[in-house]
Amino acid sequence: KNQVEQSPQSLIILEGKNCTLQCNYTVSPFSNLRWYKQDTGRGPVSLTIMTFSENTKSNGRYTATLDADTKQSSLHITASQLSDSASYICVVSALDPGTASKLTFGTGTRLQVTL
Amino acid sequence: ETGVTQTPRHLVMGMTNKKSLKCEQHLGHNAMYWYKQSAKKPLELMFVYSLEERVENNSVPSRFSPECPNSSHLFLHLHTLQPEDSALYLCASSPKLHTEAFFGQGTRLTVV
Repeated sequence: KNQVEQSPQSLIILEGKNCTLQCNYTVSPFSNLRWYKQDTGRGPVSLTIMTFSENTKSNGRYTATLDADTKQSSLHITASQLSDSASYICVVSALDPGTASKLTFGTGTRLQVTL
Repeated sequence: ETGVTQTPRHLVMGMTNKKSLKCEQHLGHNAMYWYKQSAKKPLELMFVYSLEERVENNSVPSRFSPECPNSSHLFLHLHTLQPEDSALYLCASSPKLHTEAFFGQGTRLTVV
């Protein structure tokens, strides 16, 4: 069964600090992995998308890494800001032979940045 | 804005009511989706439409009825819901089936 597990479930950090969120998956065959940011009461917004051959990808202060061998991904946030407070969701896409890719969602990490 | 608009943003309905959620995308995408997001649970895919044709129905109760009149609009018709159906309902669209999804703001549904 395809699964995506994220850790920690929640995290509180001080403004200006860095943090790293983890995503472990058992999705197979792997197609790509995406990180989404979801502000409270809003829909998720895509941050990065990574395919099998990509090890790292950055989007401003967000840097995602992917280790396809260990089936792990991380999202590193540098110099956090209050506006980074949100849920971060890891989504892994599997190739579904004969049809299209299937998405498996993690439960998300709830990040709170405080003064 | 992501180009996907959902209305209403908030909805409170009784268990005997009938209501509809609306989703509209201005991105020219071919696929549209309904997701349910409950507290502390992963997003649950409910329905998938590709070029106005339903391609997936993930064991969703019949009290939820989708409608896709054209490639830009998607509805979710609700009737005789239960309190456990209270959740954030998200609509999304993507260029092709199961490619990168663009989400709407969601409708926060409360069933009383």
